[in-house]
Parts: sequence; structure tokens; C-alpha cells
Amino acid sequence: AQTVTQSQPEMSVQEAETVTLSCTYDTSESDYYLFWYKQPPSRQMILVIRQEAYKQQNATENRFSVNFQKAAKSFSLKISDSQLGDAAMYFCAYRRINIGNSGYALNFGKGTSLLVTP
Amino acid sequence: EADIYQTPRYLVIGTGKKITLECSQTMGHDKMYWYQQDPGMELHLIHYSYGVNSTEKGDLSSESTVSRIRTEHFPLTLESARPSHTSQYLCASSVSGTLGGYTFGSGTRLTVV
Repeated sequence: AQTVTQSQPEMSVQEAETVTLSCTYDTSESDYYLFWYKQPPSRQMILVIRQEAYKQQNATENRFSVNFQKAAKSFSLKISDSQLGDAAMYFCAYRRINIGNSGYALNFGKGTSLLVTP
Repeated sequence: EADIYQTPRYLVIGTGKKITLECSQTMGHDKMYWYQQDPGMELHLIHYSYGVNSTEKGDLSSESTVSRIRTEHFPLTLESARPSHTSQYLCASSVSGTLGGYTFGSGTRLTVV
């Protein structure tokens, strides 16, 4: 099974500043999908951003962007102009391209807890 | 509004009881999943279904069972709850043939005493 590693259990950022959350993964496949999910305390997990591995261009969604380094198997999330509402647990996830029905399952990292200070 | 619903939100139950965690989605998604999220917050896939009457076990061994009789409904059952089953259980769904991401439910936090 593909493994996803988030080496930062906790991160802290001041409001309006920029923070980068790290994620690396291990795979022998050439094409796959990568995701960042946000889980606020006691609330629903939501999708932040996604990247298709065959696309070289880094995905961007408003204040959220990724730095996708395919050769290094690295997929970091940058949050610009951090807001108090960004405080949450962030999960990096990997998904295979559809190879049988099991290929739809996401493999998650252990998560990074982001604290945003005023 | 299309969404995925889990009930109950919180459950405290005694050892040996049978419990069913409910999960329903209104989006017509064919794929559904159950993840167990431990106190360290890591998520482990315990069951998935790719359609009606099809279920598979995930990467993490679990004593729970699931059923998928209707597209929208994917309940998880524990025949005899034990303290080791204490965890948060997240249900999710996705659509075939797209760059899915999942849609997640709000989770059921189960405590077995």
C-alpha cells in the first residue's frame, strides 16, 4: 500500500502570515491523485485542494496552493494570509488512478495540527 | 442540499451491546467508505463498497460489518462492542470516473465503557 508521511505533527502561524505544511509519499506508480483535506475541531472534513500527478502545474485555490515535486514525491500545502478559521487538522492523502474498485480508496497521512494565533 | 449524514453524532454504550452506526448520502454516489480515526487522528480504512450488494474490508482489520442494500445507505454494525472499539468513525462517499475527492460525514464518536 502507498504510504503518506506528514512529518509535522503541529504547526503554528500568525494571522496574515504564510505557512507551509509538508507531505511526502511513497509510490511506484506514475499517475495518481493527491489531496489536502481540512478537519476543523468537531466538524466535517472538507477538501482543500487536489492535484493530478500528470499535471506539472501546481494547483491553486484562492489562498491555498501546493508545491508538487513529483520526482521527490513531495506535496506541500502553502496557506497564504492565514486566518483564524484556518485552524484545523490538515491531512494529506493519496489515491491511485482507477485500478479496480479498491483503487478509489484514499491513503491518509497522520495529519498536521495547525494553530493560528492572532 | 446534497450531503452525507451520520447518526448518532456521539454514542456512549456498555460493553457487549450491539450497535449500528448509520450513514446515508443523497448524492447518488456509488462508492462509500468507512474510516476509523483513532485518538492520534490518523485515519484507517476499515470497509468500502463500490455499489449495491458489494462490500470489501479495508486495510485495517475490524470486527465490524457493513451492508449496502441501497445506494444511499451504508450502515456499520458491531455485534458486541468492546472498549477497544472506542474511536471516531467517519463515513465518506465518492463518484466513479471523476477526480474524486471524497465527501465526508461529520463522524460518530463512539465510546464503549
